[in-house]
Amino acid sequence: GENVEQHPSTLSVQEGDSAVIKCTYSDSASNYFPWYKQELGKRPQLIIDIRSNVGEKKDQRIAVTLNKTAKHFSLHITETQPEDSAVYFCAATDSWGKLQFGAGTQVVVTP
Amino acid sequence: GAVVSQHPSRVICKSGTSVKIECRSLDFQATTMFWYRQFPKQSLMLMATSNEGSKATYEQGVEKDKFLINHASLTLSTLTVTSAHPEDSSFYICSARDAGQGVDEQFFGPGTRLTVL
Repeated sequence: GENVEQHPSTLSVQEGDSAVIKCTYSDSASNYFPWYKQELGKRPQLIIDIRSNVGEKKDQRIAVTLNKTAKHFSLHITETQPEDSAVYFCAATDSWGKLQFGAGTQVVVTP
Repeated sequence: GAVVSQHPSRVICKSGTSVKIECRSLDFQATTMFWYRQFPKQSLMLMATSNEGSKATYEQGVEKDKFLINHASLTLSTLTVTSAHPEDSSFYICSARDAGQGVDEQFFGPGTRLTVL
């Protein structure tokens, strides 16, 4: 089945700096790669997603890149703000269309 | 649009009792709903896929007789934790796909915090 690995597990950045989170996946049939932001005790919130026919997608300060050949995708957050502090999860659909999540990255943005 | 609700948001029960959690898609029809469990400081782990009108499919290691899933309508799926024990204490989250849109995105419910004493 699909296996999604996510790094780093924790990431501390100064306000205004960029944050990058990387994920790899194993199932070459995966075609949908969402990223979620989760605050403590809350539901995961979709922040951006990308499909396998696209290499890059951007939405204001957030961007995602996908390298299908290497089976990895990354989340980039620019000009980080304290409210960006949260746990971020990458995910990938497996052959059955089910989402497999990465282990998560705790992002801390310090003023 | 695409709102998913869960009820209850929080439940505390005694060991050995059963707890039912409801997941509803409020403004769309969901032929497929998913149930996840999340332990503190861990990721979401898929427990089962709930299909309207048919039996749920469970992930490896998830006891189907302990976690009963019913998806009786296009807007409602229920998860019943039977004979709950303290190790079942967790955050349970459902999600749903919009059958009418044919897209991959899953819409998540707000989660249910289960504490078994």
